Amino acid sequence: QKEVEQDPGPLSVPEGAIVSLNCTYSNSAFQYFMWYRQYSRKGPELLMYTYSSGNKEDGRFTAQVDKSSKYISLFIRDSQPSDSATYLCAMSAGGNNRLAFGKGNQVVVIP
Amino acid sequence: GAGVSQSPSNKVTEKGKDVELRCDPISGHTALYWYRQRLGQGLEFLIYFQGNSAPDKSGLPSDRFSAERTGESVSTLTIQRTQQEDSAVYLCASRPQTAPGQPQHFGDGTRLSIL
Repeated sequence: QKEVEQDPGPLSVPEGAIVSLNCTYSNSAFQYFMWYRQYSRKGPELLMYTYSSGNKEDGRFTAQVDKSSKYISLFIRDSQPSDSATYLCAMSAGGNNRLAFGKGNQVVVIP
Repeated sequence: GAGVSQSPSNKVTEKGKDVELRCDPISGHTALYWYRQRLGQGLEFLIYFQGNSAPDKSGLPSDRFSAERTGESVSTLTIQRTQQEDSAVYLCASRPQTAPGQPQHFGDGTRLSIL
């Protein structure tokens, strides 16, 4: 079993829709959770960062962490064509902070 | 510079050749990481440097891979006798060592193609 599972299927939504992405994980030591956005031929860009369980909101983006279920989510409200990118979940246990990544979801927002 | 800088941005080489990839971390970031991103796969951890401590090499896939870092500055990742399966994007990340779990900041990577 991989440490982090993220269904890599592409996702196409119309502009203005809500995008919902999620990851599950197996390592109960993970306590730092991140979502990165990666545009084509660019490096991952930090989008959201949360510690332990709970919700965090930043503009149109909301990250949720449920440690009891080992499940994290990212919601994008009022999606825009500029949100078209690959979204990667990542997490670490602290310490050396080695990140474990999901495979990523390619999101396309259609104008 | 403001961000993590990697060079070259693209590298095409023949199977069996050695390659050297370079990473300039954000100034003041003491922790530096190398990851590999193969097509359709998530990022794989390769190696971690923290100051003058011994590096964590647990992610290196074979002894053909090695990396060095001088103090808290530039790092180089070397792949010897390259194989076609080494084709991937090699990403470098850095972060400040001010608190546990500080997020990492990535460069744009080196796209390596082995013919």
